[in-house]
Amino acid sequence: EPEVTQTPSHQVTQMGQEVILRCVPISNHLYFYWYRQILGQKVEFLVSFYNNEISEKSEIFDDQFSVERPDGSNFTLKIRSTKLEDSAMYFCASSEERVMNTGELFFGEGSRLTVL
Amino acid sequence: SQQGEEDPQALSIQEGENATMNCSYKTSINNLQWYRQNSGRGLVHLILIRSNEREKHSGRLRVTLDTSKKSSSLLITASRAADTASYFCATVPPSTAGNKLTFGGGTRVLVKP
Repeated sequence: EPEVTQTPSHQVTQMGQEVILRCVPISNHLYFYWYRQILGQKVEFLVSFYNNEISEKSEIFDDQFSVERPDGSNFTLKIRSTKLEDSAMYFCASSEERVMNTGELFFGEGSRLTVL
Repeated sequence: SQQGEEDPQALSIQEGENATMNCSYKTSINNLQWYRQNSGRGLVHLILIRSNEREKHSGRLRVTLDTSKKSSSLLITASRAADTASYFCATVPPSTAGNKLTFGGGTRVLVKP
């Protein structure tokens, strides 16, 4: 069964460092997403991406964050200068259709980011 | 304000019992989705119910939707220990491009063997 894969599964970084989290969405999906979940808290929307551009983003997704689809398979989330409060589990997801219609999200297993 | 909020926040039941959790939302929706998350894992889609549907079944899951009350419920029948997880409802807020699925805080379900 096709799945969304994420790497790394866990990354530890120093405050102020740049981090890139990588995702390979399901191959025939057109919509891509990043979510984050701080330990014990709710799953928060960061950004959605469609047709090689950001479709929507949340207030969390400030200038420190960027997303890119550098080739036909990868979808990356970059945090330019990490802060302690960026420590969280980051989930990538993809969908075949727009979620407002009947799109269901397929999630990866997450990348745990620890900022020291 | 939260688009979807689950109730209760936590639920503990014995294996074989039914588990019911509710979701309330604030604005109009096209559909409402339920997801499950095992501890430390990614979310898994369970079921989608459209705004013109009132009830939907999938295996041991039964979802209802009451758009007049802006609420949905998820029922897990004959629960198993493997159903232990957090369950989230999710909706798309209005005034967006329709590509921002927003999750509630979740209901943590513990099924004791």
